Amino acid sequence: EIVMTQSPATLSVSPGERATLSCRASQSVSSNLAWYQQKPGQAPRLLISGASTRATGIPARFSGSGSGTEFTLTISSLQSEDFAVYYCQQYNNWPSITFGQGTRLEIK
Amino acid sequence: QVQLVQSGAEVRKPGASMKVSCKASGYTFTDYYIHWVRQAPGQGLEWMGWINPNSGGTNYAQKFQGWVTMTRDTSISTAYLELSRLRSGDTAVYYCARDGGATYFNYWGQGTLVTVSS
Repeated sequence: EIVMTQSPATLSVSPGERATLSCRASQSVSSNLAWYQQKPGQAPRLLISGASTRATGIPARFSGSGSGTEFTLTISSLQSEDFAVYYCQQYNNWPSITFGQGTRLEIK
Repeated sequence: QVQLVQSGAEVRKPGASMKVSCKASGYTFTDYYIHWVRQAPGQGLEWMGWINPNSGGTNYAQKFQGWVTMTRDTSISTAYLELSRLRSGDTAVYYCARDGGATYFNYWGQGTLVTVSS
């Protein structure tokens, strides 16, 4: 099983600043990586697929990068609605998938 | 528009079974796999497996093999998750999700809270 490790567990950032979240895979997942945002009491929402392709309706301040084992989600200028938990997910290891443990983005 | 609507919250006793439904609309049900993901209180997302609504074929995460069953009824565009021999650690919100062609999830159900308690 491919293990996905996210860092940091919690990130404190002020509104308007940039946030950088990391995700590392225990073996290469090529570009088969997705990012999700989850707010309390809600289902996750797809942000990024293919490591860098924004999903429909996702603002341009969200960007993804990386390939192989190292990936980054960057939020360029944090808005109040961006404070949430973020998960990465690999889908390279068909037929199984795995999620990272999540990064909580909180207001500084 | 694509919608996945899940059944309501359940309370079960340890050792019992649960069955959650996920009704799809807004697309051809048999064209996309349905996955199940659970989330224990305050914890992260845990993938449980998928069902191919067209063939009925399934693939379960190793942890759940032997005590999870995923089925579907194509006549009503509904997928089902059954979990047997429930323990308190199975208390979680259970989500169904539809893949987007590749195995990432662009549509999710609203979640079903299953509480296992004596």
